[in-house]
Amino acid sequence: KNQVEQSPQSLIILEGKNCTLQCNYTVSPFSNLRWYKQDTGRGPVSLTIMTFSENTKSNGRYTATLDADTKQSSLHITASQLSDSASYICVVENTGTASKLTFGTGTRLQVTL
Amino acid sequence: EAGVTQFPSHSVIEKGQTVTLRCDPISGHDNLYWYRRVMGKEIKFLLHFVKESKQDESGMPNNRFLAERTGGTYSTLKVQPAELEDSGVYFCASSQRGLAGEYEQFFGPGTRLTVL
Repeated sequence: KNQVEQSPQSLIILEGKNCTLQCNYTVSPFSNLRWYKQDTGRGPVSLTIMTFSENTKSNGRYTATLDADTKQSSLHITASQLSDSASYICVVENTGTASKLTFGTGTRLQVTL
Repeated sequence: EAGVTQFPSHSVIEKGQTVTLRCDPISGHDNLYWYRRVMGKEIKFLLHFVKESKQDESGMPNNRFLAERTGGTYSTLKVQPAELEDSGVYFCASSQRGLAGEYEQFFGPGTRLTVL
């Protein structure tokens, strides 16, 4: 069964601090892994997309890593800001079926003063 | 450029009633997807249109759900009759093929459906 598991479930950090979110997946066959940011009341917004051959990708203060051998990914947020408070969702796409995505339940991040 | 829009933003209906959700994708996007998130669970795929054709509808829960995309533009998702377990947030997304073959999907804000 295709699954995406994320940890921690929730996280509270002080503004300016760094944090790392984890994602493990069992989706097969693998096509790509995505990280989305979802603000409350809004739809998910793409941060990064990584294919099998990529092991790191950055988008501003967000850096995602991918280890396709161990089927693990991380999202590192540097110098957090209050606006980073959101849910971060790891999503894996499998090949074969046209663009079917498997979502994790997300990590709820709260950045405080 | 306008993003994916969904209407209504919220809908509260009674069990047994009918509700129709609408999604307007980004102009020019051939791919349109419906997803659903029930409380406490992950977002799950419902179905995928390529233009007006259903490419994959394996995630549709049962025959009370009917999705259409006439003319390959906007799409509707009708639930008839609605049941309590249909409550959740329904997301629509659209995409075109990316340079590496991946499809970056752009999501709408969702429709929050509450069935009482």
